[in-house]
Amino acid sequence: AQSVTQLGSHVSVSEGALVLLRCNYSSSVPPYLFWYVQYPNQGLQLLLKYTTGATLVKGINGFEAEFKKSETSFHLTKPSAHMSDAAEYFCAVRWTSYDKVIFGPGTSLSVIP
Amino acid sequence: DTEVTQTPKHLVMGMTNKKSLKCEQHMGHRAMYWYKQKAKKPPELMFVYSYEKLSINESVPSRFSPECPNSSLLNLHLHALQPEDSALYLCASSQVGRGEVDTQYFGPGTRLTVL
Repeated sequence: AQSVTQLGSHVSVSEGALVLLRCNYSSSVPPYLFWYVQYPNQGLQLLLKYTTGATLVKGINGFEAEFKKSETSFHLTKPSAHMSDAAEYFCAVRWTSYDKVIFGPGTSLSVIP
Repeated sequence: DTEVTQTPKHLVMGMTNKKSLKCEQHMGHRAMYWYKQKAKKPPELMFVYSYEKLSINESVPSRFSPECPNSSLLNLHLHALQPEDSALYLCASSQVGRGEVDTQYFGPGTRLTVL
């Protein structure tokens, strides 16, 4: 069965440090890839998505992600963490427009002052 | 505008009550979704409507009854719920078959507590 994994259910970084959240999917066929962020007691907000074309995708709030087909990965990065980045982050994939979205288990990001 | 709205924001109900959750979008999306999310877990798909017709029911108990009155509105009718149904209920919407992947946009959710 197709799946999405996120290494590290909880990641802590210092304010100003690099943020790296990992996402891998299980398929040789490249899917459509998404990163969503969820702040406490709120819905999911789309950070960025990869469909086709350039493999480095820039999103909102200074986040970016790189699609690496050979590694079946779509890791999320931000050069400098801010306190407001503390939230739950979900990687999600979809193989066609008619497939269900499959969410990863999520990574909780804490930012230490 | 990429806004999906949901009402109410919070809902507390007893196991014998009947209540409804409401979702609305004005982005012209023709697919709408209900998800259930437990704390510290990813959203779980419940129902999908495409062009106002139910296209996916993920074996959800009949105490949850979805309704799509028109292309902008999605309701979730609740009856005889159990305490384990307490969760955040998220609505989402997306385009359908426009030649690109259909990104789902989520509402803020309804926090449901069943006593």
